[in-house]
Amino acid sequence: AQTVTQSQPEMSVQEAETVTLSCTYDTSENNYYLFWYKQPPSRQMILVIRQEAYKQQNATENRFSVNFQKAAKSFSLKISDSQLGDTAMYFCALALNRDDKIIFGKGTRLHILP
Amino acid sequence: EAGVTQFPSHSVIEKGQTVTLRCDPISGHDNLYWYRRVMGKEIKFLLHFVKESKQDESGMPNNRFLAERTGGTYSTLKVQPAELEDSGVYFCASSRDRNTQYFGPGTRLTVL
Repeated sequence: AQTVTQSQPEMSVQEAETVTLSCTYDTSENNYYLFWYKQPPSRQMILVIRQEAYKQQNATENRFSVNFQKAAKSFSLKISDSQLGDTAMYFCALALNRDDKIIFGKGTRLHILP
Repeated sequence: EAGVTQFPSHSVIEKGQTVTLRCDPISGHDNLYWYRRVMGKEIKFLLHFVKESKQDESGMPNNRFLAERTGGTYSTLKVQPAELEDSGVYFCASSRDRNTQYFGPGTRLTVL
C-alpha cells in the first residue's frame, strides 16, 4: 500500500522568507508521480507542482521548487520569497503510473505573516 | 474555460436522510473522480469514472454510497441513508490526461 506523510501540521513564516514543507512517501512501485496541491482558505485545490519519479531533475514552477530524493522517498516543497497569497493548506500527494487515484498526505497549513 | 463545479457547497442533513451531491467536470474531460476528506484525516479516493463507466470504485466505503455519471457528463454521488461518519468534504476532480487532475471546491456535508 502507498502512504504519504506530512510531519508538519502547521507552519508560519514572515512574508518574503523562504519556507520548506516536508513530505515523505512509501511505495514499492518504480513508476509514479508526486504532487504538491495548494488549497487557499475557502477556495478550491490547485496543482502547484508535479514531479515524475523517473526524472532526476527537480521540478520548478516560478517561486516553487521541489527537492526530490527518490532513494530516501522524500519530496519537499520550497517556496521562495513567500507572499501573503501563499497562505493555504498544502497537500503532498502520490499517484502510481498504473492507475489514476491520488494518495494524499494530511496536509500542512501554512500561514504567511505580514 | 470553466473549472470543476460542485453543488451544493454545503449540506446539513439528519442521520438517516438522503443527500445527493453533484459534480460538473471541465468540458471535454472524460475522467471524473470523487474523493472525500473526513475531519482530521487524509483526502481519500472514492471512485473514478471514464466517461459513463466506473473504472475504479475501490474507495467507496459501503453500499450506502451510489455514484452515477449519466451520459458521461456530470456525476452525482448519493448517500442513502446518511450516517454521522459520512460527514466531511467531498471533492470532485476531472482530467483529460492521466495524473493531472483539476479539483472542484468541494461539498461540505454535515450529518447531524
